[in-house]
Amino acid sequence: NAGVMQNPRHLVRRRGQEARLRCSPMKGHSHVYWYRQLPEEGLKFMVYLQKENIIDESGMPKERFSAEFPKEGPSILRIQQVVRGDSAAYFCASSPNQQANYGYTFGSGTRLTVV
Amino acid sequence: AQSVTQPDIHITVSEGASLELRCNYSYGATPYLFWYVQSPGQGLQLLLKYFSGDTLVQGIKGFEAEFKRSQSSFNLRKPSVHWSDAAEYFCAVGPNQGGKLIFGQGTELSVKP
Repeated sequence: NAGVMQNPRHLVRRRGQEARLRCSPMKGHSHVYWYRQLPEEGLKFMVYLQKENIIDESGMPKERFSAEFPKEGPSILRIQQVVRGDSAAYFCASSPNQQANYGYTFGSGTRLTVV
Repeated sequence: AQSVTQPDIHITVSEGASLELRCNYSYGATPYLFWYVQSPGQGLQLLLKYFSGDTLVQGIKGFEAEFKRSQSSFNLRKPSVHWSDAAEYFCAVGPNQGGKLIFGQGTELSVKP
């Protein structure tokens, strides 16, 4: 039973390029959360998605960032026109349903470096 | 405002010594509380969680945590630390209906021989 799979593990982009981060939740999990971890900081919530729906995007920057979780396939976090300040580790977590007592399983993250 | 505070940014303990990592939270409703551990370059692994019932919860790797509602605290403890416990530890709080977790800044644990 594979855990939460994130790819790529490392991603290097030049300023102005687009970054696409993928997250495949655990089998049977239909809820996905994205978090960002800046150097020397804790994780900050970005967005919470169910299949084909955005439930809570209160942590998403207003511009350049978007997320989706289609009916088929992984969840995608997309960052357009990346800047140096986007360099961070991006973690995805999944849960089987809305109840928190099932816990959240985290992936190993994608480390984005903008040069 | 909802928040989690981990007052200690970095702690060093000797192998075999006891450990307590502090966590204080501010949350409007009944919180669900979590402790995660992160090894360098890795994702987060759940150590333990508290939802209700017994305020002393047992987790993996010999860790335990105690929920104290009066102090808004959820401190993590281990009676005897092993060198492999060196990592970063995060306390988090979330709603019982699911949704986002709010994380503390983390405490980096170093273990000296």
